[in-house]
Amino acid sequence: AQKITQTQPGMFVQEKEAVTLDCTYDTSDPSYGLFWYKQPSSGEMIFLIYQGSYDQQNATEGRYSLNFQKARKSANLVISASQLGDSAMYFCAMREAVTGGFKTIFGAGTRLFVKA
Amino acid sequence: DTEVTQTPKHLVMGMTNKKSLKCEQHMGHRAMYWYKQKAKKPPELMFVYSYEKLSINESVPSRFSPECPNSSLLNLHLHALQPEDSALYLCASSPGQVSGNTIYFGEGSWLTVV
Repeated sequence: AQKITQTQPGMFVQEKEAVTLDCTYDTSDPSYGLFWYKQPSSGEMIFLIYQGSYDQQNATEGRYSLNFQKARKSANLVISASQLGDSAMYFCAMREAVTGGFKTIFGAGTRLFVKA
Repeated sequence: DTEVTQTPKHLVMGMTNKKSLKCEQHMGHRAMYWYKQKAKKPPELMFVYSYEKLSINESVPSRFSPECPNSSLLNLHLHALQPEDSALYLCASSPGQVSGNTIYFGEGSWLTVV
């Protein structure tokens, strides 16, 4: 069974607008971490934002925020004021304490295209 | 800029060659990782080192041989590879193994096997 599901293979957004990238996850472990990474065509995986399963508030990092709905098991990434440089592949990922935390599970990714 | 440095950025090798990918981090992290990523796919875990000891080998073929000479360095030795091994190889590190520890990636090494 898929542990991380990203249902949007591709998304388009107009420059300066906000966009939400969806991510749902499946775990029975009460302790886990959720991450979003950005991967431009150059290949580097860039860490964007982290949300812990026990965190009460949604994480924010500059233009990135994570809409964490624990009961729904969703961890959507919101990018505000999109820029052309935001065009990239975005991966949602999870680490579970039960696996010792070593194994990061990635979703299939969402390709974001920002239009001028 | 990433604090995980990988060399070389690009590598083309024949199926009979022996080459190595190198990775270095100076963040004091105790866990280091090798991932393989094929085009349009998410990264796949290959190996994990914790405190310089191999903790996880995800059933990777023996033609890939990891080495962790010290806490800052991680190598991936390549021998007798196949064309299907062509991929982006990502090195990463994290402070430890706690689920809340962020994994930081390098820029990757693009490998082509001819």
